[in-house]
Amino acid sequence: AQSVAQPEDQVNVAEGNPLTVKCTYSVSGNPYLFWYVQYPNRGLQFLLKYITGDNLVKGSYGFEAEFNKSQTSFHLKKPSALVSDSALYFCAVRERGSQGNLIFGKGTKLSVKP
Amino acid sequence: DGGITQSPKYLFRKEGQNVTLSCEQNLNHDAMYWYRQDPGQGLRLIYYSQIVNDFQKGDIAEGYSVSREKKESFPLTVTSAQKNPTAFYLCASSIPRDGYQPQHFGDGTRLSIL
Repeated sequence: AQSVAQPEDQVNVAEGNPLTVKCTYSVSGNPYLFWYVQYPNRGLQFLLKYITGDNLVKGSYGFEAEFNKSQTSFHLKKPSALVSDSALYFCAVRERGSQGNLIFGKGTKLSVKP
Repeated sequence: DGGITQSPKYLFRKEGQNVTLSCEQNLNHDAMYWYRQDPGQGLRLIYYSQIVNDFQKGDIAEGYSVSREKKESFPLTVTSAQKNPTAFYLCASSIPRDGYQPQHFGDGTRLSIL
């Protein structure tokens, strides 16, 4: 069965430090991979996606993500965290070539302290 | 600006009552989706529609119903058969034929039991 795992319920970092939010997946073939962010009482906002090509994908607000096929991972990163980055982050996957639906991870709460 | 509008933002349901959540989009997207979000559980798909006058059950369709009479609109009815309706409901849309296109989300409706 297809699945997405975000192994950390919460990640705490100090402002200015680098951050990583982890995501691993179990989907056949080479899936499409996405990261979304959610602020309190708001919908999800798209951050970035991996389709093909360079394993390092750059997205909105200085975020980037690294695709690792051998480890079936797609970790979200940012070189220098801001307090305003504090939010809930979701990883999602879709099987390539299908019109199947997105499969979401359970989310990771990022807390950035001043 | 194009986007997805969900209304109302907050909704209260009495026992035995059906309630309808509105979702309207002006992105000219063919596909629309309804998700339920509970704390710590990520997003779960309730119903989706790839085209007008057609819709499919998602993972947790029991106790819910939808219609898709217009491309722009995809209302969700939470029926009295849904015994645990308290949750945050999110509507999304996308271009269905391109599996790598991200879904766009509304700002949600929070439903509570009176």
